Amino acid sequence: SQELEQSPQSLIVQEGKNLTINCTSSKTLYGLYWYKQKYGEGLIFLMMLQKGGEEKSHEKITAKLDEKKQQSSLHITASQPSHAGIYLCGATDDNYGQNFVFGPGTRLSVLP
Amino acid sequence: GAVVSQHPSWVICKSGTSVKIECRSLDFQATTMFWYRQFPKQSLMLMATSNEGSKATYEQGVEKDKFLINHASLTLSTLTVTSAHPEDSSFYICAPWRGGTDTQYFGPGTRLTVL
Repeated sequence: SQELEQSPQSLIVQEGKNLTINCTSSKTLYGLYWYKQKYGEGLIFLMMLQKGGEEKSHEKITAKLDEKKQQSSLHITASQPSHAGIYLCGATDDNYGQNFVFGPGTRLSVLP
Repeated sequence: GAVVSQHPSWVICKSGTSVKIECRSLDFQATTMFWYRQFPKQSLMLMATSNEGSKATYEQGVEKDKFLINHASLTLSTLTVTSAHPEDSSFYICAPWRGGTDTQYFGPGTRLTVL
């Protein structure tokens, strides 16, 4: 079965700094999703990537999927305290778009 | 890591019947349970949030009378799809939240197909 790894496990940055979170899959990704979660709350959908080489942006967050579709990165530019939380990548391991699996999450703290 | 089980892992039922999905956190107590559903090639959609011993809070557009959630204990939550119809066919995932930590766990999911 597919497994997702995320790095780093946790990250503490100063406000205004850029940062990158990586998600690596053991198999080809058919759909890669990025979520943010605040403590005790449900997942907030950020972006979905499907095509190799695809890149999407939303406000100060950019996500990319590599050409081989086995790795994705999430980049935050000029981080703010509001960016703090847990970032999870999720993926489907078949072309039908189901059998969802998640990475272990990256805990981001942004110091003011 | 913590173990979360969902039962059944897949189910096929006739239209009009009710289906109960169980989610168990096997080695920790889940003070909060999130239920998600996923349509093919789409993101997870949060359906509801429940706290042990309290009524579930449903997201906008999710019918509480159709998707009954019971969080009777800290290790068991159930989602019952009542009078299921083909449009309820989906992948349902439970996500127990371990109180006192910032760790989110996920069940393996239940694939429901309504004929």
